[in-house]
Amino acid sequence: AQSVTQLDSQVPVFEEAPVELRCNYSSSVSVYLFWYVQYPNQGLQLLLKYLSGSTLVKGINGFEAEFNKSQTSFHLRKPSVHISDTAEYFCAVSDRDDKIIFGKGTRLHILP
Amino acid sequence: GAVVSQHPSWVICKSGTSVKIECRSLDFQATTMFWYRQFPKQSLMLMATSNEGSKATYEQGVEKDKFLINHASLTLSTLTVTSAHPEDSSFYICSSHSGASTDTQYFGPGTRLTVL
Repeated sequence: AQSVTQLDSQVPVFEEAPVELRCNYSSSVSVYLFWYVQYPNQGLQLLLKYLSGSTLVKGINGFEAEFNKSQTSFHLRKPSVHISDTAEYFCAVSDRDDKIIFGKGTRLHILP
Repeated sequence: GAVVSQHPSWVICKSGTSVKIECRSLDFQATTMFWYRQFPKQSLMLMATSNEGSKATYEQGVEKDKFLINHASLTLSTLTVTSAHPEDSSFYICSSHSGASTDTQYFGPGTRLTVL
């Protein structure tokens, strides 16, 4: 069975500072990995995904994530955050079944 | 990215009534649609997988007679919450998938259901 662990439920960061949101997964098969963002009272928007190939994945809004198979991690990073990045971020894993399993989410608070 | 719509965006109903939520894939044919529910400040939990023209597959613990799913066409899936109760109040989100294994799922904006 697959699972996703997001280690931090909330992350406060000052504006223009870098941020890393941590995600670890477990799976017995090859997986696809995703990061989604959810703004208040809205659905999910895909930030980036890892399917295969380069382990460094670049997404929208300046975010990137690195797939580390040995550490079973897929941490999300942004070098300089903006107030508009305030949102809930979900890490997710999917196998060939196409079912997506979500982590519990990390709320990113941008401090002025 | 692809566009998925949901209707209504929010609904308030009395306990015991049924509510239908529509999920439409607007610019591609979705062979598979997924239905999720999200409680406040929690993650999305997959409820069921809906394939066009066949019966939905429900996740463990989800009552198929309570949450009726119909996927009659490649662009429309509906979720009907039958005899709704206050504990069914939640944010319901659908997603569409074209069927290719590496394709992304595209999520709808969600429907907030409040049962009084």
